[in-house]
Parts: sequence; C-alpha cells; structure tokens
Amino acid sequence: DSGVTQTPKHLITATGQRVTLRCSPRSGDLSVYWYQQSLDQGLQFLIQYYNGEERAKGNILERFSAQQFPDLHSELNLSSLELGDSALYFCASSVASWGLNTGELFFGEGSRLTVL
Amino acid sequence: DQQVKQNSPSLSVQEGRISILNCDYTNSMFDYFLWYKKYPAEGPTFLISISSIKDKNEDGRFTVFLNKSAKHLSLHIVPSQPGDSAVYFCAASAGGGADGLTFGKGTHLIIQP
Repeated sequence: DSGVTQTPKHLITATGQRVTLRCSPRSGDLSVYWYQQSLDQGLQFLIQYYNGEERAKGNILERFSAQQFPDLHSELNLSSLELGDSALYFCASSVASWGLNTGELFFGEGSRLTVL
Repeated sequence: DQQVKQNSPSLSVQEGRISILNCDYTNSMFDYFLWYKKYPAEGPTFLISISSIKDKNEDGRFTVFLNKSAKHLSLHIVPSQPGDSAVYFCAASAGGGADGLTFGKGTHLIIQP
C-alpha cells in the first residue's frame, strides 16, 4: 500500500461527458502528479501540483484540468470525453517539489476510465 | 517522439538466472534515471535510481548501470526470483524534474521456474 488513494477505481462513461478523478496523497506529501497510461503506452506526465500551486505541465489536453485543494487532495477533470481518452489515470505524490531530485514518486492504484 | 525507449516489450528468464532489462534515451538533458516495477492492478513502485554523475548503483539484488555516452541504462536482477515477474518501467528526468518523469513503455519480465 503506497498510501496514495485514488477514486473511483473504475469508471465507464459516454463520449461527450465529463468526469472527475480524485486523489489523496500520502500523509505529509505536498506534491501531486497525474499520469495517463493508454494502451501500449508508457506513463504520460500530465500535470504536477505542489502545495496547491501548479508546478509543472506535461502533455495535458485543454479539455483536461486539475487542481489541488488546501487539504492537498487533488482532482483531475476530464471533459468532452473522446474514445481516445480511455486509459488508466495514475496519481502520484512525493514529499517535496521535484527539484530535490529525490526521484521517488508514490503511485496510487489508478483509475481506469472507459469511454464508450 | 519517444525520449525513453524500452525496446523489449517482454523478457523471459529462468529463476535463479540474471535478468537484464535495457533502456535507451535520446534527451541529453536527462540527469536522473529511475526504474519502477508494476504488478497488475497496482500502481508502479519505485525500485532503484541513478544520478548522471554515477555509472552504477546497487541495492541488494538490483543494480542499475548507466552509460552516458551511449545514452543507455540497464537494470540487472541477480538472482531472479518468481516475485520479480512484473512490468518494469524506465524513467528519466531533467533539470530537477520540472517537467516530471518521462517513462518508457515498459518491459514485461516473466520469471520461469
């Protein structure tokens, strides 16, 4: 158990809809990262938050947005869903902002999104 | 454009032997490299890392080698055990990781009895 909690574990929805994925980081971790893993793809970095502020942005679509709340949990909002958005979405957390190069991210079990 | 490549989607190794997983990268700005292990229905877990100022890092049965001139790193597992069967992801970061970790597609390691 990594200590990172993601809900829901599975989600099935239709094209054009909007969903929200939720992540609770490990106790004490200030940074939250979101990654997308599509079929046969590696983990694609989407976005990072550190203590409520956006810290880094990767390959995140404009239809997607995220935020980190004062209690440090984070939500990833996916809107106008397309078939290609079907993927595993992982949340990870770490103690500090990445700049300390600690390397270690603690991942949740992921949320599997299926868009029909 | 894939900056971190794991060219072997799967690898089968006999229990007790050495497992060698390979990873190539193209971005010369990468200065920190990590290996993650992933079991089905679980998130990836950190295994071992290496800074670009080193060429080897060892942790128990796991050793990571870095060849900067070839932009290549490898993970050695000796001896391989059944519990090592998993998907292994190679990852890299640059400049303090401001752009997050860049992952390869993973190699599925199967340890055969």
